[in-house]
Amino acid sequence: GAGVSQTPSNKVTEKGKYVELRCDPISGHTALYWYRQSLGQGPEFLIYFQGTGAADDSGLPNDRFFAVRPEGSVSTLKIQRTERGDSAVYLCASSYRANTEAFFGQGTRLTVV
Amino acid sequence: AQSVTQLGSHVSVSEGALVLLRCNYSSSVPPYLFWYVQYPNQGLQLLLKYTTGATLVKGINGFEAEFKKSETSFHLTKPSAHMSDAAEYFCAVSPGGSYIPTFGRGTSLIVHP
Repeated sequence: GAGVSQTPSNKVTEKGKYVELRCDPISGHTALYWYRQSLGQGPEFLIYFQGTGAADDSGLPNDRFFAVRPEGSVSTLKIQRTERGDSAVYLCASSYRANTEAFFGQGTRLTVV
Repeated sequence: AQSVTQLGSHVSVSEGALVLLRCNYSSSVPPYLFWYVQYPNQGLQLLLKYTTGATLVKGINGFEAEFKKSETSFHLTKPSAHMSDAAEYFCAVSPGGSYIPTFGRGTSLIVHP
């Protein structure tokens, strides 16, 4: 597709459940980023991939959060034992290579009830 | 480390009036600076960026911003507001050479007819 695609657009889950959020970057983009945007806040950096490897995961809040990008294209953000505080919009972005402009998807709104 | 302060969570202007959205940053190294816009139900879109060179940068939709190192500011302006400018605006900073920005909390621009 022409842009970064994130699925699902909305996800409601019960506290304690496991969720997976998917990001399809722009074709050919080697760098991929995950951000989290809580209500009334700016996006907060979670993790950055260059190719298949996580180049910087310093923003992951705890070990319940994990992300993969096994083939250097699609990425999945995984959240275990979800908590109500995990409710937010999760944004994905990609760029042609590191240190070039990143393009953002529309996000996945996660609600933990 | 980097941080961004956006003064005013909401700014209200009349159509045709000057738009001024304020941003101050903190960075331990020469920064890259960005303004992003987020329209309702859409992803973040880069308005403009400062990396090196000319301190007055022009972006899309008639917006511009000036990097003032002495004031650690990167305020966003537009001479004449349009109704279509109503959106959330985010200022962001990254260490020079990086495109992984740290975002401010955002300013909601309201445009009155």
